[in-house]
Amino acid sequence: GAGVSQSPSNKVTEKGKDVELRCDPISGHTALYWYRQRLGQGLEFLIYFQGNSAPDKSGLPSDRFSAERTGESVSTLTIQRTQQEDSAVYLCASSLQGGSGNTIYFGEGSWLTVV
Amino acid sequence: QKEVEQDPGPLSVPEGAIVSLNCTYSNSAFQYFMWYRQYSRKGPELLMYTYSSGNKEDGRFTAQVDKSSKYISLFIRDSQPSDSATYLCAMSETGANNLFFGTGTRLTVIP
Repeated sequence: GAGVSQSPSNKVTEKGKDVELRCDPISGHTALYWYRQRLGQGLEFLIYFQGNSAPDKSGLPSDRFSAERTGESVSTLTIQRTQQEDSAVYLCASSLQGGSGNTIYFGEGSWLTVV
Repeated sequence: QKEVEQDPGPLSVPEGAIVSLNCTYSNSAFQYFMWYRQYSRKGPELLMYTYSSGNKEDGRFTAQVDKSSKYISLFIRDSQPSDSATYLCAMSETGANNLFFGTGTRLTVIP
């Protein structure tokens, strides 16, 4: 596809359930990022993948959050035992290469509501 | 103190006005500075990108970075209703994997 694709675009889940969010980066982009955007707040960095290197997980807020990436393609962000404070937009982004100085392209986000 | 501070607005201006959007930051190691535009229920899109201090112009948009004051600005000339969006500043250190974002300023340009 032409851009970063995310699914589902909207998800309503009950507190305590697990959710999986999927990201399909731009073809050929080696770097992939997940960010979280809570209402009225800036984007918070969650995790970064670069090629086959170990991911930078420094932004994950708790051990309920995990993410995987298959090679240089699709990534899945999993939130276990969801809480109401997990309600947010989860944005995936990719860039041709990792590190500063590279343009990052964002998807339209997965809007998660925990009730 | 947050790493990046940005006035959330909202900011309303008449069509044709000059808009000034600003961010301050605390980390002197930031070297890369960006402005993103985000329309409602869409992902952020990169507008302007600047390395270190100085000015950069692209059409109606001008980005300024003053590292001595830890202050960055985005100016929009001849603002249009289509400029109505939330504008996010973002910045990073050299070699960093992540960007630090401001909270965004919501702008409305009134026809």
